[in-house]
Amino acid sequence: QSVLTQPPSASGTPGQRVTISCSGSSSNIGSNTVNWYQQLPGTAPKLLIYSNNQRPSGVPDRFSGSKSGTSASLAISGLQSEDEADYYCAAWDDSRWVFGGGTKLTVL
Amino acid sequence: EVQLVESGGGLVQPGRSLRLSCAASGFTFDDYAMHWVRQAPGKGLEWVSGISWNSGSIGYADSVKGRFTISRDNAKNSLYLQMNSLRAEDTALYYCAKDSLAVAGPYNWFDPWGQGTLVTVSS
Repeated sequence: QSVLTQPPSASGTPGQRVTISCSGSSSNIGSNTVNWYQQLPGTAPKLLIYSNNQRPSGVPDRFSGSKSGTSASLAISGLQSEDEADYYCAAWDDSRWVFGGGTKLTVL
Repeated sequence: EVQLVESGGGLVQPGRSLRLSCAASGFTFDDYAMHWVRQAPGKGLEWVSGISWNSGSIGYADSVKGRFTISRDNAKNSLYLQMNSLRAEDTALYYCAKDSLAVAGPYNWFDPWGQGTLVTVSS
């Protein structure tokens, strides 16, 4: 049971916009920033969004993040086949890092 | 180019020990905190442990506290994880990750991650 709650799966067709939610509590998302990681099949996780809504250099602006209260969301617009991956949210919680259980995104 | 390369994984019997290493290059190692994150087969990510730039601040997940010890050697640009009293549930791919700051904290992030080293605990 993960501290942060994500839907186990999400899907969309090419060109669509999809969102992935991440729900936490006042001790994690409610008081700290949220990061998102993308894990393509068979590879290591990669930083996708940091500090709630900041994109590292090289990450397309199709990816965006937001946070409100104790929840956060990752949005992917103009969905592409190469976006098929697992997505994880993460936040600091009482001197430790906690992750969501991950959302497997399928591009139909 | 920032690079993290883990090593030391393998097959080990329950109750035995294993030491993982992470060799860092491409950045000033002693400017950053470092972490170990694991992923059991087919499962999600779990933070294991983190260490500040000067080893002055160390944290562990409850699941490994008292059994695992994180350390670093800044002269060798290396991070370590000593794993004792291993259990079947410790079976996972262990990733080394660089923190964004010198001390772990609520506004940081992990970037980049190594490719991982696989630890299998089985008799």
